Amino acid sequence: NAGVTQTPKFRVLKTGQSMTLLCAQDMNHEYMYWYRQDPGMGLRLIHYSVGEGTTAKGEVPDGYNVSRLKKQNFLLGLESAAPSQTSVYFCASSYEGRWAEAFFGQGTRLTVV
Amino acid sequence: DAKTTQPTSMDCAEGRAANLPCNHSTISGNEYVYWYRQIHSQGPQYIIHGLKNNETNEMASLIITEDRKSSTLILPHATLRDTAVYYCIVTNAGGTSYGKLTFGQGTILTVHP
Repeated sequence: NAGVTQTPKFRVLKTGQSMTLLCAQDMNHEYMYWYRQDPGMGLRLIHYSVGEGTTAKGEVPDGYNVSRLKKQNFLLGLESAAPSQTSVYFCASSYEGRWAEAFFGQGTRLTVV
Repeated sequence: DAKTTQPTSMDCAEGRAANLPCNHSTISGNEYVYWYRQIHSQGPQYIIHGLKNNETNEMASLIITEDRKSSTLILPHATLRDTAVYYCIVTNAGGTSYGKLTFGQGTILTVHP
C-alpha cells in the first residue's frame, strides 16, 4: 500500500497563479484533511472532508478551495496564489470510527514568489 | 478541546527511556489524549492514544494520571531515529472537534549518542 500520496512534492508559483494539490489515499478512509505548516505556527487545519462529496472549513480556509469528488482523492486549490501561502502542505486521512488516528502524506513544499 | 502544555524541548541519551510530559488540566470527561510525532521533513505520525487507562503499543507507552490532568509518553529505549517533534493533542469523538485534529507547538526531542 502506498498510504497517502501527495502530488507534487515541490512547487514554485508566481503571485497570482493558480494550482491544485492532489492527495490520494488507498486505505478506503472516509475522512481526509489538508493542513499547512509554517515555522513557529505548528500545523493548522485548512479544510477537511468527512466523506465523498462533502467538505468543511478548518482553522485557516481563506484563499483555498477543496473538492472531494472521489472517496480516495482530496484536492486543494489555490485560485490566486499569494506569498502568504508559502508553506508546507500536508494531507491526511483516517477511518470514520478512528478519525483521530490519521495517516499523513509526506508533504508539498510550496513557494510563492 | 482542552488546551495542552508541553515543554519546548528535551534531550535523551540513546538507549535510555524518554519521558515526554503533557499538561491538560482542563480536559473533560469525554476527551482523549493523542500523541503524534513529526520527524524532520516528514509528515506527522500517529503514536498512541488513551482515555484514562495506561496504554502500550509497539512504539510507546502512555501514562495518564488518575485525575487525567496530565500524561506522559514513554519511549522505553530511545534511538537516534526517535529525534522528532512530539505533539500531545486532546480531543473528543464528537462535538465541535469532530473530524479535526489541532496540533500545538509540541516538544522537540533530541536523542544523543
